[in-house]
Amino acid sequence: QQQVKQSPQSLIVQKGGISIINCAYENTAFDYFPWYQQFPGKGPALLIAIRPDVSEKKEGRFTISFNKSAKQFSLHIMDSQPGDSATYFCAARRGSTLGRLYFGRGTQLTVWP
Amino acid sequence: ETGVTQTPRHLVMGMTNKKSLKCEQHLGHNAMYWYKQSAKKPLELMFVYNFKEQTENNSVPSRFSPECPNSSHLFLHLHTLQPEDSALYLCASSPAGRVIDTGELFFGEGSRLTVL
Repeated sequence: QQQVKQSPQSLIVQKGGISIINCAYENTAFDYFPWYQQFPGKGPALLIAIRPDVSEKKEGRFTISFNKSAKQFSLHIMDSQPGDSATYFCAARRGSTLGRLYFGRGTQLTVWP
Repeated sequence: ETGVTQTPRHLVMGMTNKKSLKCEQHLGHNAMYWYKQSAKKPLELMFVYNFKEQTENNSVPSRFSPECPNSSHLFLHLHTLQPEDSALYLCASSPAGRVIDTGELFFGEGSRLTVL
């Protein structure tokens, strides 16, 4: 059973556009929701994360929107740039379980110049 | 050197070979992890070590054998693998358990394994 469902699998956006990636979860015990960014040939790196006590977190052009009642969260990339082209993974963690992150399948984002 | 370093970056092995993957972290973290990344699948947690002690084995076949001699080094010993074990194996570390634990995992660049 997949703990975190991510969509879309791939996304093509024009430069300057908004990229939106969605994730959904079932386990209400999850209390930490990070997004990781992975470039080809590199390991994933933390991009931004949110805890369920807030509905939105913004860091530069990247925003996480969190809907606790719907058990959904999404990543918005404003003014998307070709350098944002990468694979994005959402994840969820339950309490203090040491690094027990449940990842989505990933979204391959391509930003056209 | 900084961050999490994995060697080798690429490995090709036959099903009867024995090889090892190495991971070293220079971040002063106390927890280390092995993840498996296959195409079109979520990252799969394999093993977790905290202060050199294994705290999680996610039902990984015995042909994968981890070793953690200290908090900075982690190995994954491979023997009699199957072609379906071909994947990118990622090592990660975190300060888990400390006051400064932000929940962030720091990944290495991975070891791309191909089993023939």
